[in-house]
Amino acid sequence: DTEVTQTPKHLVMGMTNKKSLKCEQHMGHRAMYWYKQKAKKPPELMFVYSYEKLSINESVPSRFSPECPNSSLLNLHLHALQPEDSALYLCASSPLGRGAGNTIYFGEGSWLTVV
Amino acid sequence: AQSVTQPDIHITVSEGASLELRCNYSYGATPYLFWYVQSPGQGLQLLLKYFSGDTLVQGIKGFEAEFKRSQSSFNLRKPSVHWSDAAEYFCAVAPPGTGSARQLTFGSGTQLTVLP
Repeated sequence: DTEVTQTPKHLVMGMTNKKSLKCEQHMGHRAMYWYKQKAKKPPELMFVYSYEKLSINESVPSRFSPECPNSSLLNLHLHALQPEDSALYLCASSPLGRGAGNTIYFGEGSWLTVV
Repeated sequence: AQSVTQPDIHITVSEGASLELRCNYSYGATPYLFWYVQSPGQGLQLLLKYFSGDTLVQGIKGFEAEFKRSQSSFNLRKPSVHWSDAAEYFCAVAPPGTGSARQLTFGSGTQLTVLP
């Protein structure tokens, strides 16, 4: 089962709201990722977690706050967003470790609209 | 720094025709290479990947890709396109080696339109 599940699929939030995007995988992968994708553009890496620790932050504004509660879950907490943050947010996962496969699997994404 | 170029922003083919989508990369060594497809409003689905070995790789949905080291290319092909293949296609590269999280670099994508 190569599945990454993201909720919610659609989210509309005001600029003063606090909301969260959630991601779950049960493939035993120990790397998890958040990507942001604007229309007609490729995904852009935001964060990488390796063994539940934040390993890469691609200079993302602090209004985006990632959290990895355990090896299966990844959250993205949103606060005081701007309209330009409206995009498709993609979660992904991949195995880690010597001899592991090297493929990143993506979820269906969460469409975020900031009003 | 690694980079990926997909020269064709938009390609239109007739249903049943053959397809080739181009991908060129720039990297110091041979990276890991991937093709993903994204249907409208959907996430990314892996079509195929190349790490080493046979330079012609088979993927899902009847797609294949050929790695050519001399041309730094990894072009995607399909002998007969179906209407359901209409989507955005992304080529991506990642540094070789295991043990660390993959950092994918994506090309800008190629939008495929299929005519009936």
